[in-house]
Amino acid sequence: GQQLNQSPQSMFIQEGEDVSMNCTSSSIFNTWLWYKQEPGEGPVLLIALYKAGELTSNGRLTAQFGITRKDSFLNISASIPSDVGIYFCAGPDSNYQLIWGAGTKLIIKP
Amino acid sequence: DVKVTQSSRYLVKRTGEKVFLECVQDMDHENMFWYRQDPGLGLRLIYFSYDVKMKEKGDIPEGYSVSREKKERFSLILESASTNQTSMYLCASSYSYYGYTFGSGTRLTVV
Repeated sequence: GQQLNQSPQSMFIQEGEDVSMNCTSSSIFNTWLWYKQEPGEGPVLLIALYKAGELTSNGRLTAQFGITRKDSFLNISASIPSDVGIYFCAGPDSNYQLIWGAGTKLIIKP
Repeated sequence: DVKVTQSSRYLVKRTGEKVFLECVQDMDHENMFWYRQDPGLGLRLIYFSYDVKMKEKGDIPEGYSVSREKKERFSLILESASTNQTSMYLCASSYSYYGYTFGSGTRLTVV
């Protein structure tokens, strides 16, 4: 079945650094979604992308729908302590069920 | 504020017990889902439901069952809890494939 490969698995960064993570698939997706899960909570939708090449921002977060439709990228600029959490990419399969990446855990070093 | 509410944040159960995890949504969503989350494995779909009394198996249904008698409530049942079912369980509801709203999760420990 379709799979999403998300990398890196975890990131240890200093406050103020920029962050980049990505999600790739061997299959084409028509929609890419990025969710964030804060400690002790369920995931919350951050950004939805619907078109190849699309670049969408949500505050300091920017996500891109890859031109090949097989990948997507999430960037966070000037990270702050509240950015910690697990970031998931997701996309619908042919039955409109969401396929999820394994997540990127973001940890900010004190 | 729209909500998905899971009845317990933490549960500790004994091996062999029958366990009920309850989930209620107030958004009139047709679709409801149960996931389990384990470190490094992301979210794995256990069961989902598109309508009252309707259920579909997800990727890892073994050892679980579900019940949806009312639109707003979706229950996950562990018929005979085992230690390998120790995990975080997340309920979600949606009106479409991208509008998922998750509950805060239930961390289940089976001893």
